[in-house]
Amino acid sequence: DAMVIQNPRYQVTQFGKPVTLSCSQTLNHNVMYWYQQKSSQAPKLLFHYYDKDFNNEADTPDNFQSRRPNTSFCFLDIRSPGLGDAAMYLCATSRDGSVAYNEQFFGPGTRLTVL
Amino acid sequence: AQSVSQHNHHVILSEAASLELGCNYSYGGTVNLFWYVQYPGQHLQLLLKYFSGDPLVKGIKGFEAEFIKSKFSFNLRKPSVQWSDTAEYFCAVNAGGGSYIPTFGRGTSLIVHP
Repeated sequence: DAMVIQNPRYQVTQFGKPVTLSCSQTLNHNVMYWYQQKSSQAPKLLFHYYDKDFNNEADTPDNFQSRRPNTSFCFLDIRSPGLGDAAMYLCATSRDGSVAYNEQFFGPGTRLTVL
Repeated sequence: AQSVSQHNHHVILSEAASLELGCNYSYGGTVNLFWYVQYPGQHLQLLLKYFSGDPLVKGIKGFEAEFIKSKFSFNLRKPSVQWSDTAEYFCAVNAGGGSYIPTFGRGTSLIVHP
């Protein structure tokens, strides 16, 4: 089945130790998104790629970076995780930005714990 | 900036009860509207979507939502809930004009007792 895959599902890191979360998709979608979701809150968009074009949300901390080496893969790098970065990180895709095809397909998420 | 409000944060129902979850948004122009659902232990998935045409949208598993432009609302409904509907429900809105970046509400946790 075509899907969005996130690895790992659970990640534990130490305060200040860099961590990379990965996302892959078999849907061949043009757009990939990274969200941060904390308990009882709405998913918060960090950035997205439309093909190779990177779009950073204005309030995304510099501590968060992303790479999309090809259509299928997208990575979220957290350079120096703080305790406040502990959250669920969701990867999503959409086929494109048109109204007919802009619904999002989500991965299962990576639960990040910062010790 | 647009905002999305889901006023019911926690809803508890018995099986066979009717459900209506509220969603209001602040954007005044053309919108695309979505409801996503997250079942326990599963990923977020699309329940239904509106982008044009009939304002009453049918989704999966017997859900429907009605877009009322004058009220800036997109409420989710189901006439008779089942225990398997226990989940977190998120409303999301794309501002029109080609925007494909949704703003999400904070979600409503629905618990259905058997």
